Amino acid sequence: GAGVSQSPSNKVTEKGKDVELRCDPISGHTALYWYRQSLGQGLEFLIYFQGNSAPDKSGLPSDRFSAERTGGSVSTLTIQRTQQEDSAVYLCASSPPGAETQYFGPGTRLLVL
Amino acid sequence: RKEVEQDPGPFNVPEGATVAFNCTYSNSASQSFFWYRQDCRKEPKLLMSVYSSGNEDGRFTAQLNRASQYISLLIRDSKLSDSATYLCVVKKDTDKLIFGTGTRLQVFP
Repeated sequence: GAGVSQSPSNKVTEKGKDVELRCDPISGHTALYWYRQSLGQGLEFLIYFQGNSAPDKSGLPSDRFSAERTGGSVSTLTIQRTQQEDSAVYLCASSPPGAETQYFGPGTRLLVL
Repeated sequence: RKEVEQDPGPFNVPEGATVAFNCTYSNSASQSFFWYRQDCRKEPKLLMSVYSSGNEDGRFTAQLNRASQYISLLIRDSKLSDSATYLCVVKKDTDKLIFGTGTRLQVFP
């Protein structure tokens, strides 16, 4: 079946511009997670959704980062006024109800020039 | 101190070798433990969960020592296709997973 999909797969933007990253979780998965991974670094947790609500936003690095999820499905991560340090791979994962395993999408590679 | 710590490696081993990775975690309230595998420029994928009694999946054996807050992964009879980064992952009382930075394994012919 279809896995987690993310778009765009690659994004190059100029410093100061806003970007929107999209995640389509696996159908029926209620939990959705955003992480980012900088070159040679581990995964950094950003935000987690259970349904449409976000019980844990503790990982968002600054108020330039926001995320929403509508209809318990698609989620968008928005980065306003991008900075060069925002360059990273942004990974989305989803989990079915009651399960601990997270299934990752292929990621969006963001480069801020 | 990081919540999950791993030796970054790389571990360079010949085919057929046995290799072990270790991981320590700082939060004693951690509830669940996993090993994920990440190939170069790919997303992480679950390799196996780690249970208190230890568990095995083919050539892979995972162990958990709650008293020492220590997790291990043993790979026997290494294959070229085992070359990847192995991520130690810990889950606390929320659904948030905490990832280690990974241990890189390179298996050579």
